[in-house]
Amino acid sequence: NAGVTQTPKFQVLKTGQSMTLQCAQDMNHEYMSWYRQDPGMGLRLIHYSVGAGITDQGEVPNGYNVSRSTTEDFPLRLLSAAPSQTSVYFCASRATGRIEQFFGPGTRLTVL
Amino acid sequence: AQTVTQSQPEMSVQEAETVTLSCTYDTSESDYYLFWYKQPPSRQMILVIRQEAYKQQNATENRFSVNFQKAAKSFSLKISDSQLGDAAMYFCAYRSAWSGGADGLTFGKGTHLIIQP
Repeated sequence: NAGVTQTPKFQVLKTGQSMTLQCAQDMNHEYMSWYRQDPGMGLRLIHYSVGAGITDQGEVPNGYNVSRSTTEDFPLRLLSAAPSQTSVYFCASRATGRIEQFFGPGTRLTVL
Repeated sequence: AQTVTQSQPEMSVQEAETVTLSCTYDTSESDYYLFWYKQPPSRQMILVIRQEAYKQQNATENRFSVNFQKAAKSFSLKISDSQLGDAAMYFCAYRSAWSGGADGLTFGKGTHLIIQP
């Protein structure tokens, strides 16, 4: 199993550009979520999904869109990037009935 | 909303010594899970130990143990026989056990652990 994978590892955007951060898991986990980590802060929940076709907002959802068309994939979209979205982004997943979340390696995003 | 507080931005310990990292949390729920995650410079989030709130017994994993005080809403991590590889950021995290709530972790701001050789 590859676990939770994220692409790209690094990305630099200009203000106003759009992009999609990819997240995939091969463990057949129902639950998936996106977090951002800023300097001096812990991770904060952006969006989460409890299964294909079902998504909901977390603590800091503004400026981000998500969709979940398959169990395996949970992409995070930035429609118009802003410097405030400069951060490290983590995707995580967990199985139904299980406690532990598995994290991907993260994507470092810089918006100029 | 739940909050998690880690009051020690940085801790330093001599190799082979014992160190305790503090964490307090605020919640009105009675059933939840608590975690300690380790984040080395590689930035990978690694689960160190977890505790179910309904369990009175403190969790242990080899050199890592917790002191879970539910009434005081305290969840500290003790690392025994500290090793150089333990140097990292450590995050305390909370997750509700209620299935109707947001499925995600609430994190503290982290404690940077330095191991002195």
